Amino acid sequence: DTAVSQTPKYLVTQMGNDKSIKCEQNLGHDTMYWYKQDSKKFLKIMFSYNNKELIINETVPNRFSPKSPDKAHLNLHINSLELGDSAVYFCASSQEGPWRTEAFFGQGTRLTVV
Amino acid sequence: AQSVTQLGSHVSVSEGALVLLRCNYSSSVPPYLFWYVQYPNQGLQLLLKYTTGATLVKGINGFEAEFKKSETSFHLTKPSAHMSDAAEYFCAVSEPGGFKTIFGAGTRLFVKA
Repeated sequence: DTAVSQTPKYLVTQMGNDKSIKCEQNLGHDTMYWYKQDSKKFLKIMFSYNNKELIINETVPNRFSPKSPDKAHLNLHINSLELGDSAVYFCASSQEGPWRTEAFFGQGTRLTVV
Repeated sequence: AQSVTQLGSHVSVSEGALVLLRCNYSSSVPPYLFWYVQYPNQGLQLLLKYTTGATLVKGINGFEAEFKKSETSFHLTKPSAHMSDAAEYFCAVSEPGGFKTIFGAGTRLFVKA
């Protein structure tokens, strides 16, 4: 069983479109995250949710909207996609906050905007 | 504010040689420190972590790291490199009580036969 699963794994879309990435974890964790990894492999946190409540929003454009329907799911919706949004997006989860336990990462979603 | 600096974006070693990946951190409070590994087209997985207690931490696949407060370092080592160790390695820091982990820029490890 995959602990943190993201869909889709690859996403190619045109500029201006709206797309969603789904994430589910079956670890019973309270905290979930979205990270963006750019072409130079630099990882930057975008959002952090704890018990469905938004804890961190790292100055991400309003076009990005996370939604957590329950503790096991954290989806990412992106409006009006831009070329610069091309990256690999990782969902992750951890029990409590990241200071106590490590984060478990999904396989990533490679988003290409053309 | 926290930050992590990984010295060397690329490190190349021969199979069987010592692996040393360098990480220095900055934190206003005693930090929690992590090393993650990322294989091609995969997510990150934890190698080891330091929270409190013993400063020499052992992880999976024969890796270990030592927390040195005086040097603000958390370097990753492995006595003998294996071809399967070729991957991207990330050092990361969290502040106790926070909800954010800051990652370094990553070090790509190449292992030559």
